Amino acid sequence: AQSVTQPDIHITVSEGASLELRCNYSYGATPYLFWYVQSPGQGLQLLLKYFSGDTLVQGIKGFEAEFKRSQSSFNLRKPSVHWSDAAEYFCAVGLNTGNQFYFGTGTSLTVIP
Amino acid sequence: ETGVTQTPRHLVMGMTNKKSLKCEQHLGHNAMYWYKQSAKKPLELMFVYNFKEQTENNSVPSRFSPECPNSSHLFLHLHTLQPEDSALYLCASSPSFPQGTSSGANVLTFGAGSRLTVL
Repeated sequence: AQSVTQPDIHITVSEGASLELRCNYSYGATPYLFWYVQSPGQGLQLLLKYFSGDTLVQGIKGFEAEFKRSQSSFNLRKPSVHWSDAAEYFCAVGLNTGNQFYFGTGTSLTVIP
Repeated sequence: ETGVTQTPRHLVMGMTNKKSLKCEQHLGHNAMYWYKQSAKKPLELMFVYNFKEQTENNSVPSRFSPECPNSSHLFLHLHTLQPEDSALYLCASSPSFPQGTSSGANVLTFGAGSRLTVL
């Protein structure tokens, strides 16, 4: 069965520090991969996506993610975190049926001054 | 308005009430989704519509009744809910499937959600 694991429930980083959020997935084929961000009281906003090609993808707000097939991972990174990045981050897998998406449980990011 | 709009943003209802959640998308998409978001749980897919036809009902209790009158509007009718149904209900839309986007995959665009509290 397909699944998405975000092993870190909560991460705290200092403003200006680098960030890496982990995501592992279980799926028999190459999936479509997504990272979403959710601010309090809001819906999910797409940060970036991987469909094929270059395994390092760039997203909005200075985020990037790298697809590593051998590790079944799609970790999200940002070189310098801003206080406004504090939010909940969700990794998701989309199947090639086009209508099935599986989400992780999310990682809550706190940014301290 | 642009994007996906959900109303109401907050709803408090008793267990015997009947209420509805509304979702409207202005993206020209043809697929619409209802998800339930509970604390510390993965998003739970409830229903999927593609060109107004329901394609997924993820074993959702009958006290939740979806309606999709056209590709731009999606409703979730609520009746005789339980306190454990309290959650954030998210609507999403996407291009139709399986064609999806020109790159061959679909991307979900979410609304801001309706926070439901059942007393």
